[in-house]
Amino acid sequence: DQQVKQNSPSLSVQEGRISILNCDYTNSMFDYFLWYKKYPAEGPTFLISISSIKDKNEDGRFTVFLNKSAKHLSLHIVPSQPGDSAVYFCAASYGGGADGLTFGKGTHLIIQP
Amino acid sequence: ETGVTQTPRHLVMGMTNKKSLKCEQHLGHNAMYWYKQSAKKPLELMFVYSLEERVENNSVPSRFSPECPNSSHLFLHLHTLQPEDSALYLCASSQGVDRGNSPLHFGNGTRLTVT
Repeated sequence: DQQVKQNSPSLSVQEGRISILNCDYTNSMFDYFLWYKKYPAEGPTFLISISSIKDKNEDGRFTVFLNKSAKHLSLHIVPSQPGDSAVYFCAASYGGGADGLTFGKGTHLIIQP
Repeated sequence: ETGVTQTPRHLVMGMTNKKSLKCEQHLGHNAMYWYKQSAKKPLELMFVYSLEERVENNSVPSRFSPECPNSSHLFLHLHTLQPEDSALYLCASSQGVDRGNSPLHFGNGTRLTVT
């Protein structure tokens, strides 16, 4: 049973608009959430994270929102740029252990010119 | 060279072959990991090493054998694999395993094909 779900395999957004990537989780013990970005032929790179004690974390064009009651988090990218085209993975952990990371299947974001 | 380096980038092997994947990190991290990414599946954790000691083995078949001779190097020895083992194998490192806010740094992976 998947504990971290990214229900949209792909998402297409026009350049300059907002991209919203969604992630749902089922394990209420998760207390730390991360987003990774992956280009073809490269490994995932860490993008942004959020602790369960917060509901928002912002870093430049990237903002992650956490709704604990809904067990839902989202990544907002604004404005979207062509270089943002990549696969985005949501990951969650509990107990603070990096070895306990559970990943979603990923969402392929395509930024249209 | 910086970051996490994996070799080879691509590997094709028969089911009776023995091969090894290599990973090296230049980040001064204390923990190293092997992940498997199969098509249309989430990243799956295989092994975790912290300070060269194995701390987690996620029920991985014995045909996969990890080795961590020091905190900078990690190997995955492969023996009598099956076609379903074909996948992207990713190595990662982090400052430590104790904190979830110590993000993983991934290598570019080895694309393995078992024929």
